[in-house]
Amino acid sequence: DTAVSQTPKYLVTQMGNDKSIKCEQNLGHDTMYWYKQDSKKFLKIMFSYNNKELIINETVPNRFSPKSPDKAHLNLHINSLELGDSAVYFCASSQDGSPSYGYTFGSGTRLTVV
Amino acid sequence: AQSVTQPDIHITVSEGASLELRCNYSYGATPYLFWYVQSPGQGLQLLLKYFSGDTLVQGIKGFEAEFKRSQSSFNLRKPSVHWSDAAEYFCAVGGASGTYKYIFGTGTRLKVLA
Repeated sequence: DTAVSQTPKYLVTQMGNDKSIKCEQNLGHDTMYWYKQDSKKFLKIMFSYNNKELIINETVPNRFSPKSPDKAHLNLHINSLELGDSAVYFCASSQDGSPSYGYTFGSGTRLTVV
Repeated sequence: AQSVTQPDIHITVSEGASLELRCNYSYGATPYLFWYVQSPGQGLQLLLKYFSGDTLVQGIKGFEAEFKRSQSSFNLRKPSVHWSDAAEYFCAVGGASGTYKYIFGTGTRLKVLA
């Protein structure tokens, strides 16, 4: 009964490839997020969707494209992967985007670009 | 500018000893404050949160934190640390309702000696 599940957990791929990471939440939350955690553990928001609508799009290269087919799913597609994209990507959700609720995080996808 | 500072990158304590992890924030409005814990290879789990009321908040796993507005601090404490508390701890700040993202600190890695 995982609340926020991400697949795959590990992803190793070559430079220039295109890959996707999927995220699903079964909490009935309205808002979902993608965060990137770099090698120094720094967490930075990338995108946020509220009820399938994009509400946060930080300064992320346009090679990254999120897609939310419904409010329970938020996928991340990455084109033309670069070495610098290697990181752990976390999906998270919250009840309605209000910061008072806190996030529920997935367990992360470790992306390694070689 | 909004920011969160965790001054200690690493902290080592003996099992059974008390613990305090520091967090300072800079935020223009009334902040919503959080502590998360990340065990190796896992996502982040919410320990506790503060946004109003009693400035001493209790969380899961025996943790507590105290909000001190005059010091712009939200330090995490535990009276007696267990070996299973070894993990990375993140402080985060969020804004008023309608702001959908948090700013995370850079984390404090806790090591527990047997």
